[in-house]
Amino acid sequence: GQQLNQSPQSMFIQEGEDVSMNCTSSSIFNTWLWYKQDPGEGPVLLIALYKAGELTSNGRLTAQFGITRKDSFLNISASIPSDVGIYFCAGQFSPGTASKLTFGTGTRLQVTL
Amino acid sequence: GAVVSQHPSWVICKSGTSVKIECRSLDFQATTMFWYRQFPKQSLMLMATSNEGSKATYEQGVEKDKFLINHASLTLSTLTVTSAHPEDSSFYICSASRANTNNEQFFGPGTRLTVL
Repeated sequence: GQQLNQSPQSMFIQEGEDVSMNCTSSSIFNTWLWYKQDPGEGPVLLIALYKAGELTSNGRLTAQFGITRKDSFLNISASIPSDVGIYFCAGQFSPGTASKLTFGTGTRLQVTL
Repeated sequence: GAVVSQHPSWVICKSGTSVKIECRSLDFQATTMFWYRQFPKQSLMLMATSNEGSKATYEQGVEKDKFLINHASLTLSTLTVTSAHPEDSSFYICSASRANTNNEQFFGPGTRLTVL
């Protein structure tokens, strides 16, 4: 099935640093979502974006829905050790009823003290 | 609210046996449930979408006779892996969505299947 391209694939950063990751698609979506997955668990929703150009924050997290509707980025400011995990973007094209998600390839984040 | 559970959390079985995985929405009625498969260090891949009381819609390349999905009620969907083989070993994750929530999917904690 289709996957969205995420970059970087992995990153090692020091505590306190800011992190940026992005996601691109060849097709448009009308919803972009960012999830975090810890080992052996299901993904947890971090931020949802519903409108092209939208910039939304959730604590230290900020995400934007690209104007072209084909990309999105996620920023994490002042990283802490518990930010470790895998971050996935997901696109959704939903004409009114529940519809499927297409996930990105994931960005593995490791934070060192 | 919007809690989704899965049972079992892990299962080990012999090759050729069938395994059933349950997905339950604990505090809401799920109009639609989704089943994903995730291989190690890979992303989630949608296997099928199911609506209560109707047949599941499978993604291309997913064998419907091998991965049987039953969505008998608004709070329960089951995935049965029939005649499991080692290549079916994976992390299976379900999600559930309800009406009037911007189509948000609430994910379960996943089930680790290991086929010997």
